[in-house]
Order: sequence, then C-alpha cells, then structure tokens
Amino acid sequence: EVQLVESGGALVQPGGSLKLSCVISGLTFSGGPMNWVRQAPGKGLEWVSHIDSSRTTYADSVKGRFTTSRDTARNSLYLQMHSLRVEDTAVYYCVTDNHWAFDYWGQGTLVTVSS
Amino acid sequence: QSALTQPPFASGSPGQSVTISCTGTTSNHVSWYQQHPGEAPKLMIFDVTERPSGVPDRFSGSKSGSTASLTVSGLQAEDEAIYYCTSSAGDFIWVFGGGTKLTVL
Repeated sequence: EVQLVESGGALVQPGGSLKLSCVISGLTFSGGPMNWVRQAPGKGLEWVSHIDSSRTTYADSVKGRFTTSRDTARNSLYLQMHSLRVEDTAVYYCVTDNHWAFDYWGQGTLVTVSS
Repeated sequence: QSALTQPPFASGSPGQSVTISCTGTTSNHVSWYQQHPGEAPKLMIFDVTERPSGVPDRFSGSKSGSTASLTVSGLQAEDEAIYYCTSSAGDFIWVFGGGTKLTVL
C-alpha cells in the first residue's frame, strides 16, 4: 500500500521560513516524479512544485521563495519555504506523479502564515 | 500559468448523468479529481479518458478542442463532492481548474 505522510506544518509569521517533509512508502521512490500541491482554506487546489530525476519546477507564485528537494535514501521529499506570505496559508499535499496525473496523495499538513 | 475554467456548481438527481466542463486545456494530459469534505483529492481520470484501477466506469472523460469534460453517469449519493480538473501547461508545470461542486439532489 502506498503511503505518503507529510509533516512540518505550523503557524509562522509573515516573512518567516518553514520546511515541510514527506515520507513515502509502498512504492519505488528513487527518481520517481513527485509534486507539492496546496489548498488554501475553503479554496481550490494549486500546483506548487514538481521534482524528478532531472528537473525541479515551480509555480510562479512561489518561484524564488520555495525549494523542493528529495533524499532517495530516506524515501523523503522536502519543501523549504522562505519569505512566507499570508497567502501561502494552506494545506500542503505531497503527491506522486504518473502519466502526468497526481495519483497518490498524502493527508496534508497545514501551514498558517499569520502575525 | 492561467487557471482552467470550471462551472462552480453542477447538480443532478440519482440515476441521472451530469457533465462538468473544463475550459482552457492546452494538452492531452488532462486529469480529474474528486474531493470529499475533509479528505485528500482522489484521481478519477487521467490522460483525458483513462480511469485508474478501482474507479467506477460511471466516470468518463472526453475532450474537444480546448475543453475537457467529466461525465458522471448513474449518479449516486456518494458522488456528491467537489471535482477539479488539471492539465499540463508545458515544461512540467500544471494548472488546476477552480473546482465544481456536484450536488446529488
């Protein structure tokens, strides 16, 4: 059974930093494409970032502030977030990527940016 | 990275069919997701028409020009949810639609 477990969500002040983690189990993770998708409270889904064996891409809304990385030995995906804004408040989902679709989702971790 | 356009609401009675549109898709990598309150989204359709294992064949996808569609046939109470479309926008970038809340009357 594929499981993705996010952690690291917290309350942080505007301008602050936070690092999210996602541990993946139940599939061959090494080099496989992964994504972060977020959902602001009561709002729709927003793709945030993609990583695979040769590239990392970002939505315009987070480019230059967020960095996605991975540790294949630990079966883990990370999202380092800097210069956080109120509008970054959301549940952040770790998501696998297959056939250009998001097939497995974690339960999400809540990031709240507020003073 | 312009968002895709979906109608905010759709509805149908049990047993009926409902179609939800998604305008602005520029690739054939279109997928659809179902989200119940408090839950993570679930993949229902990928590559416009393909169903993952375990998704009922009541769910089907299509595309004409830049508009993709999700059709739910034989509506059931458990189909009541928010449905999102997404499409590749090129260069490993994705955009989502705003979501359609499907109500089963």
